[in-house]
Formats: sequence, structure tokens, C-alpha cells
Amino acid sequence: RKEVEQDPGPFNVPEGATVAFNCTYSNSASQSFFWYRQDCRKEPKLLMSVYSSGNEDGRFTAQLNRASQYISLLIRDSKLSDSATYLCVAPNQGGKLIFGQGTELSVKP
Amino acid sequence: DVKVTQSSRYLVKRTGEKVFLECVQDMDHENMFWYRQDPGLGLRLIYFSYDVKMKEKGDIPEGYSVSREKKERFSLILESASTNQTSMYLCASKTQIYEQYFGPGTRLTVT
Repeated sequence: RKEVEQDPGPFNVPEGATVAFNCTYSNSASQSFFWYRQDCRKEPKLLMSVYSSGNEDGRFTAQLNRASQYISLLIRDSKLSDSATYLCVAPNQGGKLIFGQGTELSVKP
Repeated sequence: DVKVTQSSRYLVKRTGEKVFLECVQDMDHENMFWYRQDPGLGLRLIYFSYDVKMKEKGDIPEGYSVSREKKERFSLILESASTNQTSMYLCASKTQIYEQYFGPGTRLTVT
């Protein structure tokens, strides 16, 4: 099993839709998690941190389910500018941050 | 605002050349990282450093070496570039606890 696993997508959604991505992690002792956004040919940029049960920032909500060992990212009222790849990040048992392969989102007009 | 800079955005080198990729961060972060990113393979850790003159191998260190002589600077060295090292190289830095910040990346092509 991969340490951090994501559905690569692509998720194709219309503008205004609500879309959710899940990410599973293998290290049950992980305490902090992150979602990064990466635009085409650019570097990953931090979108949200998740340290406890969840986090909300405007249209974006990240939730943590420790029992099932997954985190989710919910995007409400999708905009064209939300089109990007979303990377899930969790620490492994050695404390290193492990990046998922990313989920591609394409928001269409 | 955290800033991580990399010496080049695009680089073209010939097979067998020695290549230096430089990374500088301005936030006094202890930890610095070098990744490569390839389609379908995601981000893979090459080397990291948790202090000046300290380095640790990541998942794919073969063919690479690193240098950290000053806290703010972390260099990646390709001793003898090969075509399979054509990739996007990303540097990142972080404090002990918090999230990583990435530089803009260097797209290296080895011909």
C-alpha cells in the first residue's frame, strides 16, 4: 500500500459545482496534513493545513477522518481558476512529508 | 512572506556535464529538500538537509549529491548528467514543524 494515495482523476466539473477529493494515508500516527495546489508547469503551493478534525477557508474545506485514515478536500462553487492538480501530503513514520501523486481538477464553463 | 528561489528556471545540458542547481531560502528554515517531479511519478525526494553540513539521502539519491555550506543555501549536483535526469527539479524548505514551501522549479533537459 502506498503511504499516501490519491485518485489521479481527472475530475471534470462544470463551474459552480461542488467537488470532493479523498486521500488515504498509511501512518496512523500522523498528526498534520496538507493540501497543496499545483498549476501546470508551476511549483506546488500550500492551500490548506489540517491539524485536527478539519479546516475551512472560504470555498475550501479540508476534513480529517482518523478512524478511516483519510483526508478530504471539498471545493464549493467551483471556479475556472480552481483548475489545477491538488496534492495531498502526510508525514510517514520517520517524519518525512510524503506527497500523493495528485488529483487533477478541470472546471469547465 | 516565505521566499525560496532557484538559480535557473530552464537549463539545457549535455550528457556527461556536471550540473549545479542552487536553491536559496530567506526564512531561516532548518530543513531543505530537493525533489524531482516527473509525469505519472509525482514528487520524489532526492536529498534533504536538516542543518548546515548535514545531509540525508531521500528515495532516489543515485546520480546526485548535495551541499549545504550555509543555512540559507542548498545545492544539488549532478556529477555526470544523463538523459534520464531530464526532469523538473523542485527545492523546498520548512521549519521543524510546519509546512514546506517550494521554489519555482528548474526544468532541466539533458541532451
